[in-house]
Amino acid sequence: DIVMTQSPDSLAVSLGERATINCKSSQSIFDTSDKKNRLAWFHQKPGQPPKLLLYWASTRESGVPDRFSGSGSGTHFTLTISSLQADDVGVFYCQQDHSPPYTFGQGTTLEIK
Amino acid sequence: QPQLVESGGGVVQPGTSLRLSCAASGFTFKNYGMHWVRQAPGKGLEWVAVIWYDGTKEFYTDAVKGRFTISRDNSKTTVYLQMNSLRVEDTAVYYCAREGFDPWGQGTLVTVSS
Repeated sequence: DIVMTQSPDSLAVSLGERATINCKSSQSIFDTSDKKNRLAWFHQKPGQPPKLLLYWASTRESGVPDRFSGSGSGTHFTLTISSLQADDVGVFYCQQDHSPPYTFGQGTTLEIK
Repeated sequence: QPQLVESGGGVVQPGTSLRLSCAASGFTFKNYGMHWVRQAPGKGLEWVAVIWYDGTKEFYTDAVKGRFTISRDNSKTTVYLQMNSLRVEDTAVYYCAREGFDPWGQGTLVTVSS
């Protein structure tokens, strides 16, 4: 199984500042058939289901603000929030859908400093 | 717009069974694979199972293999999760999600306790 490891486990960032979350996979999740990195990012607020932010490592889901961006390839990926807003608090998860089981990272809790 | 609604959760004793349902609407259900994902209280997300759009393939996480079965009825636009031999550690909110993990349902809580 592919193990997804996020860092840090939690972070506190001031409003308007940049937040960066890292995600590492135990093996490459680059799909050679469609040349896509099979990596998604989700945001979950308390009491709500997760919301898809980015897929293919860097493609924003429709309606997601452009302050969210993703980068990386192969085994190392990053989610960046360019200017933190109050609504961005919660838990962020990365997930691979390269091969089942489609494992999630352990989550990163983001708070306002 | 696409929508998923889970049902069937509840409180059950260890060793018993439960069947969850996820009713889909707002999209062509038969064209999409469907997932179940769970979240234990205060914990992270755990992917549970997937079924192909036509029902020809299923995959499971190791923790539920041999105990859980995912199925679908395209005529009813519903995906199911049959959960047998339930364990305390299966206690979680169970979400269904469409292929691509968007959208998700609101989840249904399964509590396994003696």
